[in-house]
Amino acid sequence: SQQGEEDPQALSIQEGENATMNCSYKTSINNLQWYRQNSGRGLVHLILIRSNEREKHSGRLRVTLDTSKKSSSLLITASRAADTASYFCAPGTSDKLSFGAGTTVTVRA
Amino acid sequence: NAGVMQNPRHLVRRRGQEARLRCSPMKGHSHVYWYRQLPEEGLKFMVYLQKENIIDESGMPKERFSAEFPKEGPSILRIQQVVRGDSAAYFCASSVRQGPYEQYFGPGTRLTVT
Repeated sequence: SQQGEEDPQALSIQEGENATMNCSYKTSINNLQWYRQNSGRGLVHLILIRSNEREKHSGRLRVTLDTSKKSSSLLITASRAADTASYFCAPGTSDKLSFGAGTTVTVRA
Repeated sequence: NAGVMQNPRHLVRRRGQEARLRCSPMKGHSHVYWYRQLPEEGLKFMVYLQKENIIDESGMPKERFSAEFPKEGPSILRIQQVVRGDSAAYFCASSVRQGPYEQYFGPGTRLTVT
């Protein structure tokens, strides 16, 4: 499997603002998943986007996928303090997932 | 519905001892994955198991590490003769079907080797 690379490494925003983070990968994928990890806890699945989809929404989350550029973005709108976490993308090509170092998002009150 | 359960949550071992980490997947899930996370890093895949079978252990260190998922009971990740470098958080995840699909993660076991 391949590892996604998230960018930026860290992001600090004011509550109510939007947060955008990107993921790049190297080879063809079946799907791409985004996960969130709150400090010291296990990962929580946020959203899965298939390779034939370009955009997907879930609540305040919006994910895009550009297979020609081998990249994805995660947008969190109207951020809240509870969104403070690390966010990881996982390109899906086989049974296992590989995670990059993630984007650490800090939402300031 | 109980989620993925892992125990213990924290484990302290001295160098040379054995560590046993347990994972009970979500009800109805027969696919279990183990990951290791070092401080300030992402999760690294270790092994993928189905009941009584190791499907992919390409991420497991060749020595001292083993995993099983018996017909009855939890999945076990076993680390023999632990060294300081084994200190990490170990996460288990389960899924309902094979393939690159949604995985549900447990809270992790934090292993500290002194």
